Amino acid sequence: EAGVAQSPRYKIIEKRQSVAFWCNPISGHATLYWYQQILGQGPKLLIQFQNNGVVDDSQLPKDRFSAERLKGVDSTLKIQPAKLEDSAVYLCASSLAGGVTDTQYFGPGTRLTVL
Amino acid sequence: ELKVEQNPLFLSMQEGKNYTIYCNYSTTSDRLYWYRQDPGKSLESLFVLLSNGAVKQEGRLMASLDTKARLSTLHITAAVHDLSATYFCAVTNAGKSTFGDGTTLTVKP
Repeated sequence: EAGVAQSPRYKIIEKRQSVAFWCNPISGHATLYWYQQILGQGPKLLIQFQNNGVVDDSQLPKDRFSAERLKGVDSTLKIQPAKLEDSAVYLCASSLAGGVTDTQYFGPGTRLTVL
Repeated sequence: ELKVEQNPLFLSMQEGKNYTIYCNYSTTSDRLYWYRQDPGKSLESLFVLLSNGAVKQEGRLMASLDTKARLSTLHITAAVHDLSATYFCAVTNAGKSTFGDGTTLTVKP
């Protein structure tokens, strides 16, 4: 079974530039999550989708971050414009249905460096 | 707001020794997960604990949950070098997961 795919794996940009990350979840997984992991910290949930609807985006900085999952399968996360403090690893995860016993499966992450 | 606190944050131990990592959380939870993360890699799910008194074991790792104390422990028995990694607990409430800051474990020969 293929795992969660993410691209690119690494990205270096200058502040005020834009960047986009892509995630393809495990086939058949209805729930998709984007996390931000700053060095030395645990992952912080940015947004959770159930199919193509948003379940939770309370910690997404909506003035600069946006995410979509138009067809309920793959998803993109965009930052525009980037700030220095956005340097982090962006992890995508998916789960079967987001239920009580669901396990999240994480992708390899995209390491973003903002200069 | 749900807060999750792990301790210690860093742990250096010798092979063959036992140790326990602690995870405290501030409000009731639906479930608690333990994850492992190797340097530069993503997170791998180790255990999910659903109810008070739950205990799960895999190899040299054993996780337990005390929902009344809002405490989970990850016990390492007779540590080996391959267990060197960062271990995260994550508490889920109303479908939303909050992670601790991780415990970085280094096992030395």
